[in-house]
Amino acid sequence: GQQVMQIPQYQHVQEGEDFTTYCNSSTTLSNIQWYKQRPGGHPVFLIQLVKSGEVKKQKRLTFQFGEAKKNSSLHITATQTTDVGTYFCAGPYTGGGNKLTFGTGTQLKVEL
Amino acid sequence: KAGVTQTPRYLIKTRGQQVTLSCSPISGHRSVSWYQQTPGQGLQFLFEYFSETQRNKGNFPGRFSGRQFSNSRSEMNVSTLELGDSALYLCASSLELRGGREDITDTQYFGPGTRLTVL
Repeated sequence: GQQVMQIPQYQHVQEGEDFTTYCNSSTTLSNIQWYKQRPGGHPVFLIQLVKSGEVKKQKRLTFQFGEAKKNSSLHITATQTTDVGTYFCAGPYTGGGNKLTFGTGTQLKVEL
Repeated sequence: KAGVTQTPRYLIKTRGQQVTLSCSPISGHRSVSWYQQTPGQGLQFLFEYFSETQRNKGNFPGRFSGRQFSNSRSEMNVSTLELGDSALYLCASSLELRGGREDITDTQYFGPGTRLTVL
């Protein structure tokens, strides 16, 4: 079945440093979504990428979808304590509907 | 607009018991999905309901079941609880705004979850 892996599993950074998490799917994806889950919270939708090679920015966050549509990355510039949480990528099931296969997640900790 | 609500928020059960969790989607959302989140397995898809019909199902045993009502509210049931069923159960709703496009997926709006502990 479809598998979605993320690296690294954990990342500790000093505030102000950059952070990147990488997402790799075992199958080609029609799109990829990113979610953020704060400690003790629930996943919150960040963005969806659809086109091959697509790059989207949200303030300090840059999302990229690979040319082969099997990988994606999220880069945060100059991390802040508000960026703390676990970042998940998620790929859709090819059989229709809203079934998502979530990546393993990258837990980000930001130290002052 | 009110977000996705889940009840109860916390639940403690013992092995062998059964449990029913409830999810009320955002008003107007007709698709409801359920996920199990554990530290070891991450976020795993359980099932999705749309217009009272199960549209997708994950790889979970038959002890896990669900249903959706005409008002889009959904329940999931776990029978004969096992220790390994201890998890955060998350419900997500979506609006179905794809307009027939197959290349995009609806945004999932998650509820706060139900924390189930099986002793």
